[in-house]
Amino acid sequence: QKEVEQNSGPLSVPEGAIASLNCTYSDRGSQSFFWYRQYSGKSPELIMFIYSNGDKEDGRFTAQLNKASQYVSLLIRDSQPSDSATYLCAVVSNFGNEKLTFGTGTRLTIIP
Amino acid sequence: DVKVTQSSRYLVKRTGEKVFLECVQDMDHENMFWYRQDPGLGLRLIYFSYDVKMKEKGDIPEGYSVSREKKERFSLILESASTNQTSMYLCASNSGSKNIQYFGAGTRLSVL
Repeated sequence: QKEVEQNSGPLSVPEGAIASLNCTYSDRGSQSFFWYRQYSGKSPELIMFIYSNGDKEDGRFTAQLNKASQYVSLLIRDSQPSDSATYLCAVVSNFGNEKLTFGTGTRLTIIP
Repeated sequence: DVKVTQSSRYLVKRTGEKVFLECVQDMDHENMFWYRQDPGLGLRLIYFSYDVKMKEKGDIPEGYSVSREKKERFSLILESASTNQTSMYLCASNSGSKNIQYFGAGTRLSVL
C-alpha cells in the first residue's frame, strides 16, 4: 500500500464549478498535510497546509482534514482555466521528522 | 520571499560522466532536500541534509551522493551518470518550524 494515495486523474471540471481533489494516507501518526500545485514543466508551489482536523480556507481554496478517516482533500471554488495543473498531496509523519512523503498527484483540467 | 536557485534548468550528459547539480537557498534554512520526479512515480527523495556536513539517505540514494559544505548550498553528485538517471531533479529547503518546503525551478537532466 502506498503511503500517500491520490487518484491520478485526469479530473475534468467545468469553469466556475468546484473541483474536489482527494488524498488518503496510511500512517495514522501523520501530523502535517500539504497541497502543492505543479504546472507542466514547473516546480511544485505550496497552496495550502493544514495540521488540525476540520476545514481551512484561503481564498478560493479549502483544505479539509479528517484524521480518523486518514483523509485530506482540497476544494477549489469557482474553478478557473489557470487552475489546470497537477496537484500534489504531501504528508509529514510526525513532528521532528522533516521528510515529506508525496502522492503521485492528480491532474486537473478546467474546461472553459 | 524564499528563493531556492538551481544552477541549471537543462543538462545533457554522457553515460559515465560525473555530474554536479547545485542548489542554493537564501533564507538560512537548516534543511535541504534533493528529489527526482518521474512520470507515474511522483517525487522521490534522494538525500536530505539537516545541517552543514550532515546528510541522510532518502528513499532512492543509490547512484547518488551529496555535499553540504555551507549552510546555503547543497550539491547532488552523480558519480557515473547512467541513462536511468535521466529525470527532473528538484531541490527544496525548509526551516523546520512548519515543515513547509520551498522548491527550486528544477533541473531536467538527460543522460545519453
